[in-house]
Amino acid sequence: GENVEQHPSTLSVQEGDSAVIKCTYSDSASNYFPWYKQELGKRPQLIIDIRSNVGEKKDQRIAVTLNKTAKHFSLHITETQPEDSAVYFCAAFRTGNQFYFGTGTSLTVIP
Amino acid sequence: DSGVTQTPKHLITATGQRVTLRCSPRSGDLSVYWYQQSLDQGLQFLIHYYNGEERAKGNILERFSAQQFPDLHSELNLSSLELGDSALYFCASSAPGQGPREAFFGQGTRLTVV
Repeated sequence: GENVEQHPSTLSVQEGDSAVIKCTYSDSASNYFPWYKQELGKRPQLIIDIRSNVGEKKDQRIAVTLNKTAKHFSLHITETQPEDSAVYFCAAFRTGNQFYFGTGTSLTVIP
Repeated sequence: DSGVTQTPKHLITATGQRVTLRCSPRSGDLSVYWYQQSLDQGLQFLIHYYNGEERAKGNILERFSAQQFPDLHSELNLSSLELGDSALYFCASSAPGQGPREAFFGQGTRLTVV
């Protein structure tokens, strides 16, 4: 089956700096890669996603890049703010509704 | 509130016991997904039901089972509980024509096995 690895497990950045979280996957059939943000005590929420036919997608301060050849994708958050502090999960999805999540990255933005 | 309702919010039970977690999807949603979030395993997809039928299975143990009823609510049954089953169990639902990527999560049921 699929194996999704996520790094780093914890990340601290100064407010205003950028944060980058990386994930790798093993199943070349995976074709959709969402990112979820989970604030403490709350449910995961989809924040951005990318499909396998796209290399990069941006939404304001958040961007995701995908390298299909290398089987890795990354989340980029620019101009970080304290409210960006949360746990971020990547996931890889392939047709058949199999969802595999990364182990999560706890991001702390220091004011 | 996303409209996905999970009950109970918290559950404490002993090893060897059996529990049932309940999920009511958003009005109009036909798909229900169950996920387990534990400290050591992270977030894992367990199972997906669509309009009463099982559609996909993930890392769901044989001790666990689920079903979706005609009124579309779903139940996740966990039996012969072990300490390692302690986790946050999320349910999510999505509308017809949508998949897990469009699904909204419920607030979760925190299960503690002692």
